[in-house]
Amino acid sequence: DAGVIQSPRHEVTEMGQEVTLRCKPISGHNSLFWYRQTMMRGLELLIYFNNNVPIDDSGMPEDRFSAKMPNASFSTLKIQPSEPRDSAVYFCASRLRNLKNQPQHFGDGTRLSIL
Amino acid sequence: AQKVTQAQTEISVVEKEDVTLDCVYETRDTTYYLFWYKQPPSGELVFLIRRNSFDEQNEISGRYSWNFQKSTSSFNFTITASQVVDSAVYFCALQSNAGNMLTFGGGTRLMVKP
Repeated sequence: DAGVIQSPRHEVTEMGQEVTLRCKPISGHNSLFWYRQTMMRGLELLIYFNNNVPIDDSGMPEDRFSAKMPNASFSTLKIQPSEPRDSAVYFCASRLRNLKNQPQHFGDGTRLSIL
Repeated sequence: AQKVTQAQTEISVVEKEDVTLDCVYETRDTTYYLFWYKQPPSGELVFLIRRNSFDEQNEISGRYSWNFQKSTSSFNFTITASQVVDSAVYFCALQSNAGNMLTFGGGTRLMVKP
């Protein structure tokens, strides 16, 4: 079975550029999460969707960050304009149904470097 | 607010040793769920186990075992006869039934040397 698929795996770009990270959740999962992992702050939840609707975006750091889920099989996280402090590993995770006892399954992450 | 503490930031053992990774959590909720994830050097996060707050039965899966003690708010993870492939960062996480957030501990980096 295919897991959560994220692209690209690595992204290096210059500050000021727009960055788009992509995620395909596990088929049948209707909850989707975006996380950011840094050495300083560990794993932080950025935004959470249920049935394609954003439920909690309180973790989105600022207006430069936006996320969409146009359908059940695709989500994007966009940073515009990017800054060096956005450098991190970004993970997407999906969960079967909106049930808290179900585990979140993570993609391989996108390692983002902003120069 | 909920919190997960993994006091051991780094552990180094020699292959075949047993090792226990500690996890202590705080929550005001009576219903919650605990998870362990493994992050190998390749970087992905792999789900290992889930435990419900109302089920204190310990679990064993091969060389892995988990000890959940509600009285001490702990959910410890033991690897028996460790192997080099067990080298990874291990995260403990807490999901309350009330909120949306999966709260992660800071992780424990386990290094198993041959």
